[in-house]
Amino acid sequence: AAGVIQSPRHLIKEKRETATLKCYPIPRHDTVYWYQQGPGQDPQFLISFYEKMQSDKGSIPDRFSAQQFSDYHSELNMSSLELGDSALYFCASSYTSRNTDTQYFGPGTRLTVL
Amino acid sequence: AQSVAQPEDQVNVAEGNPLTVKCTYSVSGNPYLFWYVQYPNRGLQFLLKYITGDNLVKGSYGFEAEFNKSQTSFHLKKPSALVSDSALYFCAVREPDTGRRALTFGSGTRLQVQP
Repeated sequence: AAGVIQSPRHLIKEKRETATLKCYPIPRHDTVYWYQQGPGQDPQFLISFYEKMQSDKGSIPDRFSAQQFSDYHSELNMSSLELGDSALYFCASSYTSRNTDTQYFGPGTRLTVL
Repeated sequence: AQSVAQPEDQVNVAEGNPLTVKCTYSVSGNPYLFWYVQYPNRGLQFLLKYITGDNLVKGSYGFEAEFNKSQTSFHLKKPSALVSDSALYFCAVREPDTGRRALTFGSGTRLQVQP
């Protein structure tokens, strides 16, 4: 079965640079979630989109923004990168309209800020 | 606010023995509860969930979990552990009555199954 696709899988950036992470949800899924997992930490919710509209917001820094496009893929844009942004960034998707409530996670993008 | 506690950082069990990974939760309403497993350098893999109905939920790879409302617990169990079950396990909760769909995760429990 098709899974959530994330690209790139690994990304290395310098401080103060920008980064864009992409997420392609499971086909027919209408909701995308972004989570950040720091080293040795549990995943922390950043932001979510339902039918291309922001549906919920967590602990996302103002330096970060995200959107969901007409084909339901999502991008997380990160500016003025800091060392503390080094983490594993997960995208998850679900089929909210069916209320199945299961979020399926992608393999993650490992961001390293030097 | 919803929260999840996984009191054990690590659980060690011998292959073939039963395993339990503990999870307790705190919500103001009815919880939706989930277990995910994370292998090294991999994403979170869904194991099972409790939404409503039977308190005993069966999931992937022989895992099951029991919802206990009075103890606010959702412990993960497996009758016979395999070495390949060694991984990081996360319990997560969502509170549907709030309208929020974001998951709140516990701190994770590392399961080590010895041959």
